[in-house]
Amino acid sequence: SQQGEEDPQALSIQEGENATMNCSYKTSINNLQWYRQNSGRGLVHLILIRSNEREKHSGRLRVTLDTSKKSSSLLITASRAADTASYFCATEQTGANNLFFGTGTRLTVIP
Amino acid sequence: NAGVTQTPKFRVLKTGQSMTLLCAQDMNHEYMYWYRQDPGMGLRLIHYSVGEGTTAKGEVPDGYNVSRLKKQNFLLGLESAAPSQTSVYFCASSQYTEAFFGQGTRLTVV
Repeated sequence: SQQGEEDPQALSIQEGENATMNCSYKTSINNLQWYRQNSGRGLVHLILIRSNEREKHSGRLRVTLDTSKKSSSLLITASRAADTASYFCATEQTGANNLFFGTGTRLTVIP
Repeated sequence: NAGVTQTPKFRVLKTGQSMTLLCAQDMNHEYMYWYRQDPGMGLRLIHYSVGEGTTAKGEVPDGYNVSRLKKQNFLLGLESAAPSQTSVYFCASSQYTEAFFGQGTRLTVV
């Protein structure tokens, strides 16, 4: 499979805590993206990090990328109940215009 | 600005029937994608297109065909539906960076 793998598969935290989820992938990439999916809905783009970047921030989101380990992490700080959703990483392979998704992390934030 | 629109939203097919799922985008995006989402499997790429008149296979292309005759439309066809094709299908489009997704089509093959 060309899919990435997210870890953990499920995560449950209290509101206000930080949530960290990880993504590993298999091939060289142009960029790595994180998406969010609320139950039964389409995916929404959160953040994109290019292969020559190591860290990126957007609001309460922090993404890191380690191309030597073929891995990325997404940190959501000061979580809110509204952050409850599934989170997916997606990779665009080098030299291609495809977009492959991982298996997702289901995040539950308890009020 | 509608973004990415998928039709239909729900469909029940009998084994062996055929159908076409339509994806339309109004953002003038070059790239379009079809995915299927099954529990515990994430999204798997079926086919994709890098421009009008082009298509390419993704991870799970068997049993599906696609066409991109117009830049704004990407059609996914099932020639002879099988129960294994029961899934939620998502279309997406992008222009070099983030992808925009439709709301999905829930297909059940009985």
